[in-house]
Order: sequence, then C-alpha cells, then structure tokens
Amino acid sequence: DGGITQSPKYLFRKEGQNVTLSCEQNLNHDAMYWYRQDPGQGLRLIYYSQIVNDFQKGDIAEGYSVSREKKESFPLTVTSAQKNPTAFYLCASSESTGELFFGEGSRLTVL
Amino acid sequence: GIQVEQSPPDLILQEGANSTLRCNFSDSVNNLQWFHQNPWGQLINLFYIPSGTKQNGRLSATTVATERYSLLYISSSQTTDSGVYFCADPKMTTDSWGKLQFGAGTQVVVTP
Repeated sequence: DGGITQSPKYLFRKEGQNVTLSCEQNLNHDAMYWYRQDPGQGLRLIYYSQIVNDFQKGDIAEGYSVSREKKESFPLTVTSAQKNPTAFYLCASSESTGELFFGEGSRLTVL
Repeated sequence: GIQVEQSPPDLILQEGANSTLRCNFSDSVNNLQWFHQNPWGQLINLFYIPSGTKQNGRLSATTVATERYSLLYISSSQTTDSGVYFCADPKMTTDSWGKLQFGAGTQVVVTP
C-alpha cells in the first residue's frame, strides 16, 4: 500500500541525548515535511524539503536537523539543543496540488 | 496573521445523529483540507476541497472559497467518528511553503 511510514511510534529519551525519527514515503512525492504537535494545539512546521538534497527551516527549526538524501526518506534528528522536545511529531508529504498526507506520528517523551 | 475559526469547539452526538462542522478563514483559501485525528493521534485525510462539494460515504464537505468558509457534514454518526476534526489550508507559496493554517479543531464524541 502507498503511504508514509514513521518509526518509532513511541520513543523515550534521556536529557542530553540526540534521537532520530524516521520517515519514509512511497507516494513518489517530491515535497516532505516535519511538524510538531503539542497537546491541544495545531501543527507547527519544523522543516520541509521540496526536492532531494535541499531542505528549508520552518517556524520552529531550532534544536532540530534533517537530511534528504533520497526522495523517499526525510529523517528528523531531535538534538540535545531542543529545550522542550517532548511532543508528537508528524511527517507529511504532498502532491504538486498541495494536498498533504500524514504518517501515523511519533510520540517522543524526554525523561 | 491568518485566522482560522472552527465551530463548534466541542460536539457530543448520539449514535445515528447528523451534524455540521464549520471552518472560517480570514484569508483566501487555496488548498483546504479536512482531517480527522483519531485517539491515537493519526491525522487521516477526509477531503481535499479547495472549492465545491465532495462526498465520501457518510461524510461530505462543501467549500465556498469566495466567502472563505468550509462545512463538513457527518451523517448517521458512529462511535468511530469520535476524535478531533481539523480544517487546514497548507500554504504552498514561495515564502510560506508547507505552513499550515490550522483551526483549533472540533472535538467530537459519539455516544452509543
């Protein structure tokens, strides 16, 4: 089935550790995105990539890093510099029309 | 900034009831989508509806872009319809690529 796969679904991290969230899509979409959702709130854009080997910062990029070496993959690293990393992270991709499709999400908890 | 108002904020329905959710935008609508966020957090695409009317089973949506609003209709509601319904308008312009104008959502609870 075509879709977006995120892993892991749940992740616990100690303070000071970097963690990487995986996002893979087989929809053949050029554009991919990472969003963060905090309880009771909407989504905020962390990073986006419109094409392989290129990515741009979103509204809340500080403390995060990404890479886009393959069209299908857009991993997100949450670094120790991110001051409040506990959140629900959603990866998405879009068609040329702008319609967004989301993965199931990864829930990160910092202990 | 652009405002997105969703109403009502909360909705409790008895199974089998019908309901209408509304989304108002303060700016032009270009890529309006409706999503259902289930209790596990997954955002499920319901409709991509920049304008016009679409139907999918018990759900239908109408967007009147010129008046900057969209409606989501749920008919014969089921307990699996529970969750939060969001409308969003992803911006795909050069200076705002990927940014989502998200409503605060409508929390729907369908009781047996």
